[in-house]
Amino acid sequence: GAGVSQSPRYKVAKRGQDVALRCDPISGHVSLFWYQQALGQGPEFLTYFQNEAQLDKSGLPSDRFFAERPEGSVSTLKIQRTQQEDSAVYLCASSLAGEREKLFFGSGTQLSVL
Amino acid sequence: DQQVKQNSPSLSVQEGRISILNCDYTNSMFDYFLWYKKYPAEGPTFLISISSIKDKNEDGRFTVFLNKSAKHLSLHIVPSQPGDSAVYFCAASVVGGADGLTFGKGTHLIIQP
Repeated sequence: GAGVSQSPRYKVAKRGQDVALRCDPISGHVSLFWYQQALGQGPEFLTYFQNEAQLDKSGLPSDRFFAERPEGSVSTLKIQRTQQEDSAVYLCASSLAGEREKLFFGSGTQLSVL
Repeated sequence: DQQVKQNSPSLSVQEGRISILNCDYTNSMFDYFLWYKKYPAEGPTFLISISSIKDKNEDGRFTVFLNKSAKHLSLHIVPSQPGDSAVYFCAASVVGGADGLTFGKGTHLIIQP
């Protein structure tokens, strides 16, 4: 596709449910990032992949969060046993190799945990 | 502890005038700075960037100024147009660093007709 695609666009989960958020990066982009944006805040870094390798996961807030990119293309961010504080917009971004700063963002998945 | 600060949550400017958005940072290791623009229900889009070896970068109506000694950067938009109404995020990184981009909270720019 032309841009970074994320699904679902909206997700409502009951507290304690597991959720999976999908990201389809721009074709040919080897770098993929996940960010979390809480209401009224800027995006906060969660994790970074180069191809299938997860090179940095220092931003993941707890061990309930994990991400994968098994074939170096599509990525999934999984949140287990969701809590209300997980409610946020989850943004995926991709970039060309070596372009860690100029990111192309998707529209995000808005997660609401009730 | 906010390493990138945008102290103005919103800014209103008349169409045709200059818009100036400000950003301060505290981490002296940052050496690359970017501005992203975000419309509602869309992801942020890259606008302009500047390396710490420069003090100015210009792209059409957009100019970014960097004052390293003050740890301050600003984005100038001139002339401002209605389509510039959006949230602007300042972001910083350490080139080759491990932590991705560090964003400010954003400034909502409103261009008045």
